[in-house]
Amino acid sequence: EAEVAQSPRYKITEKSQAVAFWCDPISGHATLYWYRQILGQGPELLVQFQDESVVDDSQLPKDRFSAERLKGVDSTLKIQPAELGDSAMYLCASSLAPRQGLGGGEQFFGPGTRLTVL
Amino acid sequence: TQLLEQSPQFLSIQEGENLTVYCNSSSVFSSLQWYRQEPGEGPVLLVTVVTGGEVKKLKRLTFQFGDARKDSSLHITAAQPGDTGLYLCAGADGNQFYFGTGTSLTVIP
Repeated sequence: EAEVAQSPRYKITEKSQAVAFWCDPISGHATLYWYRQILGQGPELLVQFQDESVVDDSQLPKDRFSAERLKGVDSTLKIQPAELGDSAMYLCASSLAPRQGLGGGEQFFGPGTRLTVL
Repeated sequence: TQLLEQSPQFLSIQEGENLTVYCNSSSVFSSLQWYRQEPGEGPVLLVTVVTGGEVKKLKRLTFQFGDARKDSSLHITAAQPGDTGLYLCAGADGNQFYFGTGTSLTVIP
């Protein structure tokens, strides 16, 4: 069964260090999302790609966060420098484009990367 | 911002009890998804509802989309400890998704 892959699963870093997360979406899914999730709460969108283009990065803290999807397939999310408040689960999801007349597409999530900043 | 409010935020029940989780918004969505998330894992899609008034059943779980496509409910019959987790609704508007605030369910054996 096709799955969204993420690595690493866990990352512990010290504040002011740089961290990077990788995501490989389900083959054929043009839309890729990066979310941040605080324990017990719903995910918050950081950035959305359609193929290699950024569709929405309005909630991405651009002074320290960056995301790219150069070839429109896999994607990298980077934080530099990391701060204590960045400790969270970082989730990647992918979806097909919306199907005509059938509403929005469905998102499929990877297992996430649990980041701890010390 | 298309806000989705879920209630209750926390729910702790005994095995065998029934429960309902609500997902409410003032916005209309083209579809709505329900997810369950276990600690340390990503959300897993349970169901997608598209048509106003639609009802879908998944074993002991019953999902309903409101007639106006602004709200949804999830009903679990005879809850089991394996139902424990964070339940999330997500409204879709085109290819953008808006997540609910989450309902943390604990089923006590």
